[in-house]
Amino acid sequence: QKEVEQDPGPLSVPEGAIVSLNCTYSNSAFQYFMWYRQYSRKGPELLMYTYSSGNKEDGRFTAQVDKSSKYISLFIRDSQPSDSATYLCAMSAGGGATNKLIFGTGTLLAVQP
Amino acid sequence: SAVISQKPSRDICQRGTSLTIQCQVDSQVTMMFWYRQQPGQSLTLIATANQGSEATYESGFVIDKFPISRPNLTFSTLTVSNMSPEDSSIYLCSARQGAETQYFGPGTRLLVL
Repeated sequence: QKEVEQDPGPLSVPEGAIVSLNCTYSNSAFQYFMWYRQYSRKGPELLMYTYSSGNKEDGRFTAQVDKSSKYISLFIRDSQPSDSATYLCAMSAGGGATNKLIFGTGTLLAVQP
Repeated sequence: SAVISQKPSRDICQRGTSLTIQCQVDSQVTMMFWYRQQPGQSLTLIATANQGSEATYESGFVIDKFPISRPNLTFSTLTVSNMSPEDSSIYLCSARQGAETQYFGPGTRLLVL
């Protein structure tokens, strides 16, 4: 079993839809949770960063962490064609060289105009 | 946030040769990393670049194949040695700033013929 599981998609939605992207994990030591957006032929771009449980909102994006269920989500409201990209979840147990960032496989999202 | 640049952005190389990829960060960072990303796949950590000392390699990656330097807090190089077609991939430089926020460069696309 992988430490981090993420549905690879592809996920296709119409413009304006609410998108829900999810990851599950097995390591209860994870405390830091990130979402990256990666456009084709580009490096990953840090989108959201959350520590421990709870919600964080930034514009159209909301990140949720449920540590009791070992489940994290990224919601995109009013999705736009420019949101079409691969979304990677990532997490780590904490600071220091030994606490590496563990990535999901990424979900490919296509927002249709 | 840290801005990371990489050179070259892409290259086509002959098998048996070596390529050195440079990574420059616009500010001092606590840690620097090198990742590999195969087409359509997630990120695999190659090594942590340690300033002034030998890099820390992940399982499956060795110093003879992927020598890494980090002479200061903002610069690192990764060399892919004695290349084979299996080394064709995207190589990404990454830097950690503060506790856990981690940023990525645009990547170097390598094709080995």
